[in-house]
Amino acid sequence: DGGITQSPKYLFRKEGQNVTLSCEQNLNHDAMYWYRQDPGQGLRLIYYSQIVNDFQKGDIAEGYSVSREKKESFPLTVTSAQKNPTAFYLCASRNYATGTGSGANVLTFGAGSRLTVL
Amino acid sequence: GENVEQHPSTLSVQEGDSAVIKCTYSDSASNYFPWYKQELGKRPQLIIDIRSNVGEKKDQRIAVTLNKTAKHFSLHITETQPEDSAVYFCAASSLRGAGGTSYGKLTFGQGTILTVHP
Repeated sequence: DGGITQSPKYLFRKEGQNVTLSCEQNLNHDAMYWYRQDPGQGLRLIYYSQIVNDFQKGDIAEGYSVSREKKESFPLTVTSAQKNPTAFYLCASRNYATGTGSGANVLTFGAGSRLTVL
Repeated sequence: GENVEQHPSTLSVQEGDSAVIKCTYSDSASNYFPWYKQELGKRPQLIIDIRSNVGEKKDQRIAVTLNKTAKHFSLHITETQPEDSAVYFCAASSLRGAGGTSYGKLTFGQGTILTVHP
């Protein structure tokens, strides 16, 4: 699956429950990202990590949490504090290439996880 | 932070016509501008990118132009085909070197739904 595997593909959650979306990559990429996709709003950055054991908030981090304990894994937890969690979630990774040469900033995306809150 | 505006939100053309999608960005430090294509039910994939030291880049039927002064860049698709139908996203990022490494938090536009009618 292009080196990035997201699971589950579909997830249903009751209000008030936390859920964790899995993202695993075997591309040996340094940086990993979580985006949220809503119709008409493009891809909005939730969290990103450029190195193991370090991560930064994106533009819409409230109600989400992440961890980066291993280079290949970057799970996203959608907490009960997220007011409108129903969305399509995309994980991506990027090689931490030197300089600014070709391919240095190309994102490789996973197939996505669709979360529906009932 | 960076803000990327993309227009139009929907674009409908006849097969063989040209399609143009425009984006503007706000951060003058941005120097890398990729375009991603997302077919229905699939993950986004890079189709072309341009760096700020270049004004235009072509790859077969697609081309991207950049006007740094005006802070806008555009995607041009010529001789459109039904398989070009998809959602197209522009993005902007700054590639900075520090110790030889690249950074780059990509900020995406809202997306354009392109429909090519046979």
